[in-house]
Amino acid sequence: ETGVTQTPRHLVMGMTNKKSLKCEQHLGHNAMYWYKQSAKKPLELMFVYNFKEQTENNSVPSRFSPECPNSSHLFLHLHTLQPEDSALYLCASSLRLARDTQYFGPGTRLTVL
Amino acid sequence: TQLLEQSPQFLSIQEGENLTVYCNSSSVFSSLQWYRQEPGEGPVLLVTVVTGGEVKKLKRLTFQFGDARKDSSLHITAAQPGDTGLYLCAGYSTGNQFYFGTGTSLTVIP
Repeated sequence: ETGVTQTPRHLVMGMTNKKSLKCEQHLGHNAMYWYKQSAKKPLELMFVYNFKEQTENNSVPSRFSPECPNSSHLFLHLHTLQPEDSALYLCASSLRLARDTQYFGPGTRLTVL
Repeated sequence: TQLLEQSPQFLSIQEGENLTVYCNSSSVFSSLQWYRQEPGEGPVLLVTVVTGGEVKKLKRLTFQFGDARKDSSLHITAAQPGDTGLYLCAGYSTGNQFYFGTGTSLTVIP
């Protein structure tokens, strides 16, 4: 399944670094999502975009900054992260917001040292 | 509280056995999806069910949506080691909120 791609697949960063995660969907969808999946925890929804506009921010710390330049691309900018931010970050997309099946990318495994 | 509860949480069975995973809620869902996730990878969609009582089959996997659209089940016949993974149900409530289940970790032993 190459409908939703994410880069990089693995990232190790120090707490003072700045890095970005990229997500691209080739499905013609209009809604895109960022999720965080920590060990032994359910998926946590972070941000939602619909037609490039942010519609949801689930009380995510400001050290995570999303960007959606168009309906096909989604970024997550990271700065001054904490070790507890280490997790699998998943991007998903759906044709319409809040009603259609979400398709997931392979994720970025982030380790914060 | 978790809106979608899955059971069992962990399941370890021998190759060739049958199993059923349950996804339950006290709320009505307009649709439910089942995903399988392998370690370090994103969830891969298996099926979407939208009609109460609907049954869908995918090879050895049978999915059922409850008549009242509050629950769903996944039945695997003659499990194989390749079925090993984390099975997640997810869906949209009638309020258009998307929820993930608590997950069922399946291990099929050769």
